[in-house]
Amino acid sequence: DTGVSQDPRHKITKRGQNVTFRCDPISEHNRLYWYRQTLGQGPEFLTYFQNEAQLEKSRLLSDRFSAERPKGSFSTLEIQRTEQGDSAMYLCASSLGQMGADTQYFGPGTRLTVL
Amino acid sequence: AQSVAQPEDQVNVAEGNPLTVKCTYSVSGNPYLFWYVQYPNRGLQFLLKYITGDNLVKGSYGFEAEFNKSQTSFHLKKPSALVSDSALYFCAVRDPGGSYIPTFGRGTSLIVHP
Repeated sequence: DTGVSQDPRHKITKRGQNVTFRCDPISEHNRLYWYRQTLGQGPEFLTYFQNEAQLEKSRLLSDRFSAERPKGSFSTLEIQRTEQGDSAMYLCASSLGQMGADTQYFGPGTRLTVL
Repeated sequence: AQSVAQPEDQVNVAEGNPLTVKCTYSVSGNPYLFWYVQYPNRGLQFLLKYITGDNLVKGSYGFEAEFNKSQTSFHLKKPSALVSDSALYFCAVRDPGGSYIPTFGRGTSLIVHP
């Protein structure tokens, strides 16, 4: 079990640039989640996939954010035209859906700094 | 709607003493409750969860939590704290009748003094 992995671990970019993050979930997990975490806060939900279908998106997710999970395995989160307010830790989690009581397992996160 | 509160930003305890990190929740029905721990610059690690059954849940690293429906609480406990337990602790709640997305608390920083 290799756990959830995320790449890159750190990203520094200039305002206005586009960035893309990747998440590789635990291999047998069918559900994948993206969260954003800022200092002093818990994870805030962004979006959720079951297999390749994006089933839920937070109202926090502006139209500059897009996520995909094309083959139901890895996922990407893209932020277009980054703003300084996008600076945060972006966390990915995965779970094996079991009657809704499934446990989410988190990756190490990607820390984004927008200059 | 579901919500969770962690009333303490920080908890200080001496090594070897018992520790408690508090969590209260609000859901319309019976909750699913979770505790996670986060070390600096790392993701969240799952500690334990309550789904149904015994109100006392045992988890990783000697931690346990007690579900109290009348007080709508799910406090995290450990009989004897270690310096290595120092970290951020997050409580999360999910309403089984709602979406699959849990709501996380703001976190409590646990500091264990040698």
